[in-house]
Amino acid sequence: EVQLVESGGGLLQPGGSLRLSCAASGFIFSTYAMSWVRQAPGQGLEWVSAISGSGGSTYYADSVKGRFTISRDNSKKTLYLHINSLRVEDTAVYYCVKDREVAAGAGAFDIWGQGTMVTVSS
Amino acid sequence: DIQMTQSPSTLSASVGDRVTITCRASQSINGWLAWYQQKPGKAPKLLIYKASSLESGVPSRFSGSGSGTEFTLTISSLQPDDFATYYCQQYNNYWTFGQGTKVEIK
Repeated sequence: EVQLVESGGGLLQPGGSLRLSCAASGFIFSTYAMSWVRQAPGQGLEWVSAISGSGGSTYYADSVKGRFTISRDNSKKTLYLHINSLRVEDTAVYYCVKDREVAAGAGAFDIWGQGTMVTVSS
Repeated sequence: DIQMTQSPSTLSASVGDRVTITCRASQSINGWLAWYQQKPGKAPKLLIYKASSLESGVPSRFSGSGSGTEFTLTISSLQPDDFATYYCQQYNNYWTFGQGTKVEIK
């Protein structure tokens, strides 16, 4: 079964940092680009960051550029998102998602994790 | 940046109704459009990709169409399980979601 399982969320203070992890199983992890998508409480979906299958190319939304770092360890089949200088507006459920196709460039997201909640509050 | 605008924001319908949701892109996205369904407390689910291709396992009552900058998601006969929020997404240039359309019971 193809599965993504996120972890690492929690309650944090503004200015802090954290690392989210996403464990993948059931597919050849290294051949697919992966992304993080977040959803603030009661709000819509926002794409945050993406990384190519090899990890050699990374992409960020303007709203998080400079504070978020996406990475992957293909040997561990794990995706990461490092978040620095946390802001109240980073409060959201963070989803790990898989590109639908093995191809260069952007793709639709066919597999989503269950999400991990990040709450930033003093 | 490509902006995606969905309409309506909320739609009230009854079981058996034909439902259409529209998504407009701020520039041509060459058909690189997906539709997702999300239920409360759950992760979104891919329904349609490449504007009109039905994802495996998705009921055939769902269909997508459109090109250029205007796209539609149609549910031919609304079922009880279909009451949810629907999002369009462009993936021509990075990724952008529409603001969502909530389909509620009339």
